[in-house]
Amino acid sequence: EIVMTQSPATLSVSPGERATLSCRASQSVSSDLAWYQEKPGQAPRLLIYGASTRATGIPARFSGSGSGTEFTLTISSLQSEDFAVYYCQHYNNWPPYTFGQGTKLELK
Amino acid sequence: EVQLLESGGGLVQPGGSLRLSCAASGFTFSSYAMNWVRQAPGKGLEWVSSISASGGLTYYADSVRGRFTISRDNSKNTLYLQMNSLRAEDTAVYYCAKNPRPWGDFYFDLWGRGTLVTVSS
Repeated sequence: EIVMTQSPATLSVSPGERATLSCRASQSVSSDLAWYQEKPGQAPRLLIYGASTRATGIPARFSGSGSGTEFTLTISSLQSEDFAVYYCQHYNNWPPYTFGQGTKLELK
Repeated sequence: EVQLLESGGGLVQPGGSLRLSCAASGFTFSSYAMNWVRQAPGKGLEWVSSISASGGLTYYADSVRGRFTISRDNSKNTLYLQMNSLRAEDTAVYYCAKNPRPWGDFYFDLWGRGTLVTVSS
């Protein structure tokens, strides 16, 4: 099983600042990496797939990078609606398609 | 409107059974693989099971294999999860989630809001 590790667990950032979230895979997942946003009481939302492709309707301030075992989600200028929990997930080859433990982005 | 709506959650005793449903609308349900993902209280997301667009292919997490069965009825635009021999550790919000393809590329481009399953005596 591929283990996905996200860091930091919590990130405190002010509105308008840049946020950088990291995700590491225990073995290469190529570019088969997705990022999701989760808010309380709402359905999770796909942000990024293929490590760097924004999903439909996702603002350009969200960007993804990386391949192999190291990945990054960057939010260039935080808006109030971006404070949430973010998960990475691999979907390389065979299951289980594991998620990271999440990074909580909170208001500083 | 494109959406997924889960139902069927509730309180069940250990060893009991429950069937979850997920009603899809706003897209051609029969063209996409579907999945169940769960989230235990205060925990992260855990992929549970996947089924191909036709229903002929399925995957399960080791933690549920042999106890849970995923199925779909494309004529009713509905996904199911039959859960048997439930354990306390199955307590979670269960999300229905859509694949972008009929099979493969197991990331999830549409999610429901989830249904809570509580396994307790």
